[in-house]
Amino acid sequence: GEKVEQHESTLSVREGDSAVINCTYTDTASSYFPWYKQEAGKSLHFVIDIRSNVDRKQSQRLIVLLDKKAKRFSLHITATQPEDSAIYFCAASIRPDTNAYKVIFGKGTHLHVLP
Amino acid sequence: EAAVTQSPRNKVAVTGGKVTLSCNQTNNHNNMYWYRQDTGHGLRLIHYSYGAGSTEKGDIPDGYKASRPSQENFSLILELATPSQTSVYFCASGAGTGGQAPLFGEGTRLSVL
Repeated sequence: GEKVEQHESTLSVREGDSAVINCTYTDTASSYFPWYKQEAGKSLHFVIDIRSNVDRKQSQRLIVLLDKKAKRFSLHITATQPEDSAIYFCAASIRPDTNAYKVIFGKGTHLHVLP
Repeated sequence: EAAVTQSPRNKVAVTGGKVTLSCNQTNNHNNMYWYRQDTGHGLRLIHYSYGAGSTEKGDIPDGYKASRPSQENFSLILELATPSQTSVYFCASGAGTGGQAPLFGEGTRLSVL
């Protein structure tokens, strides 16, 4: 079946450095890729997304890159801050039939921003 | 304000008992989803729905049923709960076009003893 692979299970960076989280997907028909942040003990909150008609999107310190040929997308967090420490999930929207969309997730990356 | 509300927030059940987790959304979203989150597995899709009356199997549907009686409500049913179903369950809703990030509820922590 369709899969989203998230390559880094844990990532540690120094405050002020950049963090990069990489994901790959298997379904060539996937066209929408959201990212979520989950703080300890809380639910998932949307942070940024990208659609397949573009290859780059930026929102403040967050940048998402999409390489459709390689079926790869990545989240770049620049100038990291302690409050960026959390679990980040990548996801892909898949349309198994004409009526339904389903969204499947990677396993998550636990980002630690060290002082 | 867009919202997804799950109930109960915490539940302790006995092995073999029936458990119903409820989800309500006020966003008029067509799509609704049930996931479970476990350490080492991330978020896994159990069931989803594209509108009232529809339920579709996700990636791990065994041992679970779902019900979507209305646009607003989507339930997850464990007919015979087992300890392996101890987990945190999240409900989410999303627009029908598939091009909008689903909005998540706060989660239900289920322990099956």
